[in-house]
Amino acid sequence: QSALTQPASVSGSPGQSITISCTGTSSDVGGYNYVSWYQQHPGKAPKLMIYEVSNRPSGVPDRFSGSKSGNTASLTISGLQAEDEADYYCSSYTSSSTQVFGGGTKLTVL
Amino acid sequence: QVQLVQSGAEVKKPGASVKVSCKASGYTFTSYDINWVRQATGQGLEWMGWMNPNSGNTGYAQKFQGRVTMTRNTSISTAYMELSSLRSEDTAVYYCARGMGIPWSGYPYWGQGTLVTVSS
Repeated sequence: QSALTQPASVSGSPGQSITISCTGTSSDVGGYNYVSWYQQHPGKAPKLMIYEVSNRPSGVPDRFSGSKSGNTASLTISGLQAEDEADYYCSSYTSSSTQVFGGGTKLTVL
Repeated sequence: QVQLVQSGAEVKKPGASVKVSCKASGYTFTSYDINWVRQATGQGLEWMGWMNPNSGNTGYAQKFQGRVTMTRNTSISTAYMELSSLRSEDTAVYYCARGMGIPWSGYPYWGQGTLVTVSS
């Protein structure tokens, strides 16, 4: 199972919006609504930000939103804040009854 | 509150095995799947497999088939991940993560991570 494809890096200024894409296939992202997104700060465990494509766990700001179109899922962060600077990973269920992560995207807040 | 507390760092020689534990508290251990994810230094997350603590059923990523075993001891609410035939590429932080109750939905709870170093 190949890793999902994410851009290596994205950047934005405080207050702006950014979108991180996550491209898979019809056997993973496109075939199921089990896409999740994780935020990871250096030296910390990942934190779940979005589950089942577009749902936010309690405590996650509504600045974070998720969507999916075909084989590509997206995470959008609006009103960027300094503390949003982190690595972001997407993940999807697959037709092999396994999970696969994306390669990760480093978000820089300028 | 939900907590997953993992065992401490390990240093192993190539060819050896390592067994990492993940002690759960704050919820009914048998009600939620436990997944294992690893991360090499400076690299991305890699899913290794899952275990249903109630039934003991497991599922592993193809890459680890034959080398990984996930087990549990329900009497002490602890999950284990054992990786054998270690090589230098297995040097990584290993995390356990608890599911949401709906399989594959996402992992809202994570252990603190266990660094496994494989070196001769």
